Amino acid sequence: AQTVTQSQPEMSVQEAETVTLSCTYDTSENNYYLFWYKQPPSRQMILVIRQEAYKQQNATENRFSVNFQKAAKSFSLKISDSQLGDTAMYFCAFGRDWAGNNRKLIWGLGTSLAVNP
Amino acid sequence: GAGVSQSPSNKVTEKGKDVELRCDPISGHTALYWYRQSLGQGLEFLIYFQGNSAPDKSGLPSDRFSAERTGGSVSTLTIQRTQQEDSAVYLCASGKSGGPVNEQFFGPGTRLTVL
Repeated sequence: AQTVTQSQPEMSVQEAETVTLSCTYDTSENNYYLFWYKQPPSRQMILVIRQEAYKQQNATENRFSVNFQKAAKSFSLKISDSQLGDTAMYFCAFGRDWAGNNRKLIWGLGTSLAVNP
Repeated sequence: GAGVSQSPSNKVTEKGKDVELRCDPISGHTALYWYRQSLGQGLEFLIYFQGNSAPDKSGLPSDRFSAERTGGSVSTLTIQRTQQEDSAVYLCASGKSGGPVNEQFFGPGTRLTVL
């Protein structure tokens, strides 16, 4: 069975600095998808970035980028130029290849990130 | 377009009462998920609907929990004889049927408090 591990329950960073959140996963599958979701204090869960396992190039969305190491089963999130609005819980999630009927995501326990002024 | 909506946003009930939580997914999304999130915790999968297929109920914690999805759209999560440990935020998410990315779009959640 797949598992997702986020080893950092809490992190903090100064505004404008860079922070990296770690995520490791375990799977025997070759094709899959990885996601980072953000949940701010407002509670609304939103997608930050996603990565297809068959793509070697790391995904990037503005200030957010990932370091995807498929062999190491590692999927870390880097936030550059941190902003106060980045304060949130960040969840890493694993999804099986879409061809499978079951589209459940496997979730990590989350990392609480505080951006300090 | 409209996102996933959930109602009520907050629900306070007494122990032993039944509650119904509603989820309106994004129009056209055939996948619908219910999660439970206890204070400061991760997401606990409850149930998953995909089109006309039988739902995956493997995450429901007890037979007091049930969910249905009418007409492939709106879903209702019912908790019977609520207990204090049922207090949590209940999140609903929907997803597209096609395409390679099983991204989930979340609603704002319903905060349930059982006194």
